[in-house]
Amino acid sequence: EAGVAQSPRYKIIEKRQSVAFWCNPISGHATLYWYQQILGQGPKLLIQFQNNGVVDDSQLPKDRFSAERLKGVDSTLKIQPAKLEDSAVYLCASSLVAVNTEAFFGQGTRLTVV
Amino acid sequence: SQQGEEDPQALSIQEGENATMNCSYKTSINNLQWYRQNSGRGLVHLILIRSNEREKHSGRLRVTLDTSKKSSSLLITASRAADTASYFCATPMGKLTFGKGITLSVRP
Repeated sequence: EAGVAQSPRYKIIEKRQSVAFWCNPISGHATLYWYQQILGQGPKLLIQFQNNGVVDDSQLPKDRFSAERLKGVDSTLKIQPAKLEDSAVYLCASSLVAVNTEAFFGQGTRLTVV
Repeated sequence: SQQGEEDPQALSIQEGENATMNCSYKTSINNLQWYRQNSGRGLVHLILIRSNEREKHSGRLRVTLDTSKKSSSLLITASRAADTASYFCATPMGKLTFGKGITLSVRP
């Protein structure tokens, strides 16, 4: 089966610019996650969707980050405006039903803000 | 916090040796999961152990779970250089969160 697809793989932007990441989960997976992983740290959950509803977004900086999952399939994560501290790898993952099943991760998008 | 905390933070062993990594958590769980992350890649699911299980095997991996102590261990036997990676445990209850992970280095 096809895995979780993310694009782009790499992105370099200047601070205060905006950027968007795209994720296509495994077909049929109801749960979709976005994580931010800063170098040397574990993945930090930004937002978790169940179909097209938000389960948790408690750690999403809502003044600059937004995410949507239209039609309960693919998802976009946007940062506007970007700050230097947003430099990280952004990982998307999906799982079949709910959080108690294994999650499959994409390769991630490495964002560098200069 | 419902996420697991891994221990030690870093581990360096010789190829062929066994590696033991630990995870502690604070809340009740339905299951505990271990993931591996190779440098620059996404996480890969290794094994899931349910709260009513005590031990589980998958190839060279052995996971134990002690719910009375709120802890789990991951044993990798006969380690290989390719096992060099970061390892994370997760105790999903409503949301899937991770700790800081363990950096395992296997020297050839």
